Amino acid sequence: QVQLVQSESELKEPGASVKVSCKTSGYTFTTYAMNWVRQAPGQGLEWMGWIHTNTGNPTYAQGFTGRFVFSLDTSVSTAYLQISSLKAEDTAVYYCAKDNQPGVWGSWGQGTLVTVSS
Amino acid sequence: DIRMTQSPSSLSASVGDRVTITCRASQTISSNLNWYQQRPGKAPKLLIYAASSLQSGVPSRFSGSGSGTDFTLTINSLQPEDFATYYCQQSYRSPRTFGQGTKLEIK
Repeated sequence: QVQLVQSESELKEPGASVKVSCKTSGYTFTTYAMNWVRQAPGQGLEWMGWIHTNTGNPTYAQGFTGRFVFSLDTSVSTAYLQISSLKAEDTAVYYCAKDNQPGVWGSWGQGTLVTVSS
Repeated sequence: DIRMTQSPSSLSASVGDRVTITCRASQTISSNLNWYQQRPGKAPKLLIYAASSLQSGVPSRFSGSGSGTDFTLTINSLQPEDFATYYCQQSYRSPRTFGQGTKLEIK
């Protein structure tokens, strides 16, 4: 069955960087786009953008340009989210979510909590 | 961007009740509307896609309807595990956008 397994929670200081992984199995990785969704503490869901898993071309939603980078390692069927120059307001749970069809997310990772605090 | 507005923001109901959650889009999105359930501390789960198609494995007490700008999620005969937060999300156009969520609580 389809599985998306994310890396463990991270505690980072302001200004540091973090890289969250999303390792997939149970399907052909390059067939379906991968999305990233943020959920700040006690808040709703916010789409960050997506990456074309065949071409590696990323698309970022407004508010997620510059410090946020989506990448892939197709050899291990894994997607990555890197956030640089971390700020306290980046504290959130980050989810990867696989397209079933464009914009419909039938499989999700379990979420990775990134905490930014000194 | 397409703005999605859910109502109500919170709802109290009892086991066995029927509840309806509405979602309105700021412009027409045809039938490109999806519903997700999120239990505390868990990832969202797809319930309904394309406004009315039940995702595989989701109980038939969940149903969705609507097109254009107005949509509803109905849960018949509430079960204890249905108490969660529900989000609508449009897949008509990028950027993908969610409603603010509806928290369904036990009365």
